[in-house]
Amino acid sequence: GAVVSQHPSRVICKSGTSVKIECRSLDFQATTMFWYRQFPKKSLMLMATSNEGSKATYEQGVEKDKFLINHASLTLSTLTVTSAHPEDSSFYICSARGVASGYEQYFGPGTRLTVT
Amino acid sequence: GESVGLHLPTLSVQEGDNSIINCAYSNSASDYFIWYKQESGKGPQFIIDIRSNMDKRQGQRVTVLLNKTVKHLSLQIAATQPGDSAVYFCAENRGSGYSTLTFGKGTMLLVSP
Repeated sequence: GAVVSQHPSRVICKSGTSVKIECRSLDFQATTMFWYRQFPKKSLMLMATSNEGSKATYEQGVEKDKFLINHASLTLSTLTVTSAHPEDSSFYICSARGVASGYEQYFGPGTRLTVT
Repeated sequence: GESVGLHLPTLSVQEGDNSIINCAYSNSASDYFIWYKQESGKGPQFIIDIRSNMDKRQGQRVTVLLNKTVKHLSLQIAATQPGDSAVYFCAENRGSGYSTLTFGKGTMLLVSP
């Protein structure tokens, strides 16, 4: 149980375009979802926390107008990178926590974004 | 041995050795800690967790030790196998209750056959 999927696993887009990444909890209801960003050989950096049905809480330094997060249902959250630039190229990972999860977050497999 | 520099700290061991990966955390109020394993190109995978009211917890081939006095966490892997090669992160739940996780810098474990 407690499986989280992400789609797409890899995406290449051109500068100036927007790209949407989906995060789904497959077998549990995720009351809270988290979005992380990871650069090569670096740790995970929390970008934002989203609770179902409410606005996401962004970490300091993360532009909310650039990284749009929607958590419209208990099994789906989306991250849209708007007007992407090459410096947005990164590995984006989501995680989800359900009512019965306690502290634990279940992580998705990640999405590799490359902006050309 | 262990090397620290511009790259991730790396621990190189031989197959069959025991590995110890260390982590220092910053917040004395953190009440829950997790160790994750991350293979290249994949998301983090839960290994073991420990609450702040414990100082040791054992799983299958893994043991986590928590020293709150010096804010130190360690992961011990017994009889390390090549499949254990990955980057290992500690994470702390900052503050009481269900909060956000803050990840440590990570250590790359390389296991030679």
